[in-house]
Amino acid sequence: ETGVTQSPTHLIKTRGQQVTLRCSSQSGHNTVSWYQQALGQGPQFIFQYYREEENGRGNFPPRFSGLQFPNYSSELNVNALELDDSALYLCASSGDRGSWTEAFFGQGTRLTVV
Amino acid sequence: KQEVTQIPAALSVPEGENLVLNCSFTDSAIYNLQWFRQDPGKGLTSLLLIQSSQREQTSGRLNASLDKSSGRSTLYIAASQPGDSATYLCAVGGTSYGKLTFGQGTILTVHP
Repeated sequence: ETGVTQSPTHLIKTRGQQVTLRCSSQSGHNTVSWYQQALGQGPQFIFQYYREEENGRGNFPPRFSGLQFPNYSSELNVNALELDDSALYLCASSGDRGSWTEAFFGQGTRLTVV
Repeated sequence: KQEVTQIPAALSVPEGENLVLNCSFTDSAIYNLQWFRQDPGKGLTSLLLIQSSQREQTSGRLNASLDKSSGRSTLYIAASQPGDSATYLCAVGGTSYGKLTFGQGTILTVHP
């Protein structure tokens, strides 16, 4: 089991609402990445934060935003929720921002938008 | 744009069989390749990480190989057990920042 924890584990929101998901990275890791995994699909990269700054972004609209805090924990915020935002959201931490380091994933947050 | 494909999409085998899962990628300029296991509704558990300079990695009954030039990796599972039933995902790290590009996974069922 990794040291990456996510909260909450499940939540249900109404279309148009806003949601905040949280991730606590593994001890010693300064980089957090967020992924969206729709049912039956592989995870899709949303963005990465390295030392409190966004370090790369996938093909997601601006209503997906994030923060990283001085202790390297992170939040994913999604505004104006749409039905298609229903998915498993995964957080991964790593010891460096580059792809050459191993990523460790949390258990995910299952978001359902109704 | 990197694309990752996994074959087969699903596999059902009797307990004890040796099996091979395949992963291919279109851009050979990668830093590493990781194999993950995912149980239903759960997060990802890292199984093996192969750096681009390596040819294979082994952990217990698992062996992963990497042929970067041909854009292929295989995950070999020896003596499969019902507890191996899960979705197996491969992911490549190929950019200067830590973006992983995933395949869609292979759903493995090992029946007693």
